[in-house]
Amino acid sequence: EVQLVESGGDLVQPGGSLRLSCVVSGFTISSNYMNWVRQAPGKGLEWVSTIYSSGTAYYADSVKGRFTISRDISKNTLYLQMDSLRAEDVAVYYCASALWGYFDNWGQGTLVTVSS
Amino acid sequence: AVQLTQSPSSLSAFVGDRVTITCRASQGISTDLAWYQQKPGKTPKLLIHDASSLQSGVPSRFSGRGSGTDFTLTITSLQPEDFATYYCQQFNDYPPYTFGQGTKLEIK
Repeated sequence: EVQLVESGGDLVQPGGSLRLSCVVSGFTISSNYMNWVRQAPGKGLEWVSTIYSSGTAYYADSVKGRFTISRDISKNTLYLQMDSLRAEDVAVYYCASALWGYFDNWGQGTLVTVSS
Repeated sequence: AVQLTQSPSSLSAFVGDRVTITCRASQGISTDLAWYQQKPGKTPKLLIHDASSLQSGVPSRFSGRGSGTDFTLTITSLQPEDFATYYCQQFNDYPPYTFGQGTKLEIK
């Protein structure tokens, strides 16, 4: 059974940092595109970042230079390092897998709150 | 970036109705489009990929059509569990992967 379990969401002050984790079971993350997608309260879905099986990573313009996606293949775990957090980063962050560009498996999400 | 515009933004329907949601892309995206369902407080669920391919386990009352810039998601014979928000997403021209703004389907 495929499972993606996120953790690491928390309340952080503006300018602060967080690292989100996504532990995956049921497939090896190196064989899929792995992604972070976020959803601000009451809003729609927004793609944040993707790391391809090659290790190449891409980011939304809104987070470029502040967020870093990475993976530990030995732990089958995906990460999102979030620095210089802003109020507009408040959202539920979902980890999702993709074979061909559409997101076929999702985690339950983890809530990031940025507030002083 | 490819923009996706869904219409309507919301609609009300009765159980048993047939409904259609439209997604229009700002440029041609072939059939590189997916549809998701999200219920309140829940994770998005993939319904359809490649514009018309039903994801495994999704009921056959869901169907998708289209190519290029115009796409539709149709639900025949609405069931109570179908009331949710629906999103389209393109994976033709990326990054970024983009989503439509969502269509909220409510019970009448």
